Amino acid sequence: RKEVEQDPGPFNVPEGATVAFNCTYSNSASQSFFWYRQDCRKEPKLLMSVYSSGNEDGRFTAQLNRASQYISLLIRDSKLSDSATYLCVVNTGGYNKLIFGAGTRLAVHP
Amino acid sequence: EAGVAQSPRYKIIEKRQSVAFWCNPISGHATLYWYQQILGQGPKLLIQFQNNGVVDDSQLPKDRFSAERLKGVDSTLKIQPAKLEDSAVYLCASSPVGRTSSYEQYFGPGTRLTVT
Repeated sequence: RKEVEQDPGPFNVPEGATVAFNCTYSNSASQSFFWYRQDCRKEPKLLMSVYSSGNEDGRFTAQLNRASQYISLLIRDSKLSDSATYLCVVNTGGYNKLIFGAGTRLAVHP
Repeated sequence: EAGVAQSPRYKIIEKRQSVAFWCNPISGHATLYWYQQILGQGPKLLIQFQNNGVVDDSQLPKDRFSAERLKGVDSTLKIQPAKLEDSAVYLCASSPVGRTSSYEQYFGPGTRLTVT
């Protein structure tokens, strides 16, 4: 079983749509959680951290369910510029070691 | 603030040849990471340095890969000899501190390696 699992997609949605991505992780001792965004042929960049209480940053909402070992990302009012791969990332503790999922590809069309 | 610098950006070599990649982290960042990202997969950590010491190299194929960070600043990753399955993007990242707490990792643009 992979340590971090994501639906690879692609998710093809029209502008203005709401789309949700899910992710599961296997290590119950994982300490912190993130979503990174990776544009085609570019490096990953931090989109947002994920907290147990849930957190929101503009059109983006992230949630964590530790009991189910499940992380989600919701994007509201999708823009063309949201087209990218979204990587679910788990910090297993220790020396800030990050485990990346394979990513979910989002394509927003006009 | 300058970001993480990597060179070269692209490299094509034949199998069994050797290759080296260079990374200069963000100034003041104590922790440096090398990742391998194969097409369609997420980045996989190869090795992590804190200052000039290795804190995690559990996924580094040590029979062919080596890395160093001699003065605790820039770093080189070497592959010798290369195999076809080494074709990937090699990403370097840095963060302020690596111990327990979670700090954002800043990635460089990567080196795209093709082994023929």
